[in-house]
Amino acid sequence: AQSVTQLGSHVSVSEGALVLLRCNYSSSVPPYLFWYVQYPNQGLQLLLKYTTGATLVKGINGFEAEFKKSETSFHLTKPSAHMSDAAEYFCAVRDNSGYSTLTFGKGTMLLVSP
Amino acid sequence: DAGVTQSPTHLIKTRGQQVTLRCSPKSGHDTVSWYQQALGQGPQFIFQYYEEEERQRGNFPDRFSGHQFPNYSSELNVNALLLGDSALYLCASRDRSSGNTIYFGEGSWLTVV
Repeated sequence: AQSVTQLGSHVSVSEGALVLLRCNYSSSVPPYLFWYVQYPNQGLQLLLKYTTGATLVKGINGFEAEFKKSETSFHLTKPSAHMSDAAEYFCAVRDNSGYSTLTFGKGTMLLVSP
Repeated sequence: DAGVTQSPTHLIKTRGQQVTLRCSPKSGHDTVSWYQQALGQGPQFIFQYYEEEERQRGNFPDRFSGHQFPNYSSELNVNALLLGDSALYLCASRDRSSGNTIYFGEGSWLTVV
């Protein structure tokens, strides 16, 4: 069985500061990993994904994440936070079987102050 | 734009009633999955449809059922609604052309009173 742990239900940063959202996963097979963002009262938008290959993945809106197999981590970062980044962020894992089922973490709410 | 459309966007039902939610994936997307997102939680997998068959199911009771039509659109039905069924219901579809990336719709907010 797969699982995802997101450390910190809320993370607060100042505008212009580094954003770091943590995600650790558990999977018995090489995982596919995803970060999604959810703005208030909206669905999920894909930020970035790791499947195979380069372990540093760049996504939309200046976000990136690094897959570290030895640490079973896939932390999300952004060098400089913007007010518009305030949202909830979900890390998810998908196994590499033929099914496309995602297992999500509980989410981290990012708060950005001026 | 995820290309996945869901309806209705909001609805209110009474305990014991039944509800049907609808999802239309973007053309080219085949597999459709449904997720339940309770307030303050991450989405939980309900079930997945491919070629009109349910091929995987999460830990949800039989009150939750679904259907996929030949055009890949899908319905989620919930019978005998409970207060605890109040949640955002998300439909997701798979895009084979982008490495099986999964895209989500905007969701249907269900409130059970």
